[in-house]
Amino acid sequence: GAVVSQHPSRVICKSGTSVKIECRSLDFQATTMFWYRQFPKKSLMLMATSNEGSKATYEQGVEKDKFLINHASLTLSTLTVTSAHPEDSSFYICSAGTPLAKNIQYFGAGTRLSVL
Amino acid sequence: AQSVSQHNHHVILSEAASLELGCNYSYGGTVNLFWYVQYPGQHLQLLLKYFSGDPLVKGIKGFEAEFIKSKFSFNLRKPSVQWSDTAEYFCAVNAGTNSGYALNFGKGTSLLVTP
Repeated sequence: GAVVSQHPSRVICKSGTSVKIECRSLDFQATTMFWYRQFPKKSLMLMATSNEGSKATYEQGVEKDKFLINHASLTLSTLTVTSAHPEDSSFYICSAGTPLAKNIQYFGAGTRLSVL
Repeated sequence: AQSVSQHNHHVILSEAASLELGCNYSYGGTVNLFWYVQYPGQHLQLLLKYFSGDPLVKGIKGFEAEFIKSKFSFNLRKPSVQWSDTAEYFCAVNAGTNSGYALNFGKGTSLLVTP
């Protein structure tokens, strides 16, 4: 099946710093990627839809200035958590669908962010 | 509001026992239904999906699920679980092709299979 790579898998940062997370589709082009956040013992919550060549679409309650999304190419979307605070600590996961099967999402392995 | 509910948050079974995990959704119109599995330390993997047609769908690793439209349910089943089935299971829904392909997830069910 299609492979989505997410990097880094784990990051620890100080409060106030920014962290960039990359999501790559390795063997297909993805015009749309999705970013989710998973809290402990909770479901995955959609944060935003990343569209290649245009602005991301954010879900209600997600701060677009806090979570910057850039989808500069058909194989790469980045999520930057700006001025991170401890409450931003979470598990962030991206997904993408292939051009022929956009309805089936392939997921990255996730990024565990810990803000001290 | 659109929602997905998984009734069992934690399930513990012995090997060879049968499994059924409940999933109900609250959506109007056409839906696409999925079950994903997340093994410890690994990424989400698609177990099976339902778009249309036969409401009984078979997935990988011996799993199957039945779509019952009248009950808004898509329960996951496996006749005989193995220790390697220990994982987190997520039911997910999206509302057809017109709403994009983002998934709405249930809260997940943690399955522990004991030897």
